[in-house]
Amino acid sequence: EAQVTQNPRYLITVTGKKLTVTCSQNMNHEYMSWYRQDPGLGLRQIYYSMNVEVTDKGDVPEGYKVSRKEKRNFPLILESPSPNQTSLYFCASSDTTRDRVDFGAGTRLSVL
Amino acid sequence: GEDVEQSLFLSVREGDSSVINCTYTDSSSTYLYWYKQEPGAGLQLLTYIFSNMDMKQDQRLTVLLNKKDKHLSLRIADTQTGDSAIYFCAEKDNYGQNFVFGPGTRLSVLP
Repeated sequence: EAQVTQNPRYLITVTGKKLTVTCSQNMNHEYMSWYRQDPGLGLRQIYYSMNVEVTDKGDVPEGYKVSRKEKRNFPLILESPSPNQTSLYFCASSDTTRDRVDFGAGTRLSVL
Repeated sequence: GEDVEQSLFLSVREGDSSVINCTYTDSSSTYLYWYKQEPGAGLQLLTYIFSNMDMKQDQRLTVLLNKKDKHLSLRIADTQTGDSAIYFCAEKDNYGQNFVFGPGTRLSVLP
């Protein structure tokens, strides 16, 4: 079954404690991205990757890092989380045509 | 930059039709999308329409595109309680790098 898997689904942490949210896809997609969803703002793109070792900033990259060492994985790293990064995060992937995007189930992060 | 706008809330009675509207700014968008997000779940692609089409129908869903006015709508016929969700309109930007999402319309279906 084609899917995008994020872990963890729920995370509560404290300011400054580094964390990583993992994302993997089993569809051999080249393109992967991270979004955050906040009430009234829709989804805003944080980072995207067009292929292995190719990443670029989206609209709201500050405070985040990503890496793409393998095609299937695209982790999101928060080196020093802050309360304004409390949000719902979605990983997504698509093939080279990018005519549709498949989303993970989401990770709800609370930074205290 | 590109912008996608939607009203934030819509309430309808069960059995009625729902119409969710969306406006966008990027006239070069090639595809426009509707995604559904149920409570606690991720985004599910409902349907999409190519920019050279005016209408697309898929069972209870009808998508209308007015390219001149940059207006997209999603009509759900015979709305059911299971249709209660947030519906996101999205467009693919000029460069194909990013899907630009609207803020989402929360559809509430009343019995």
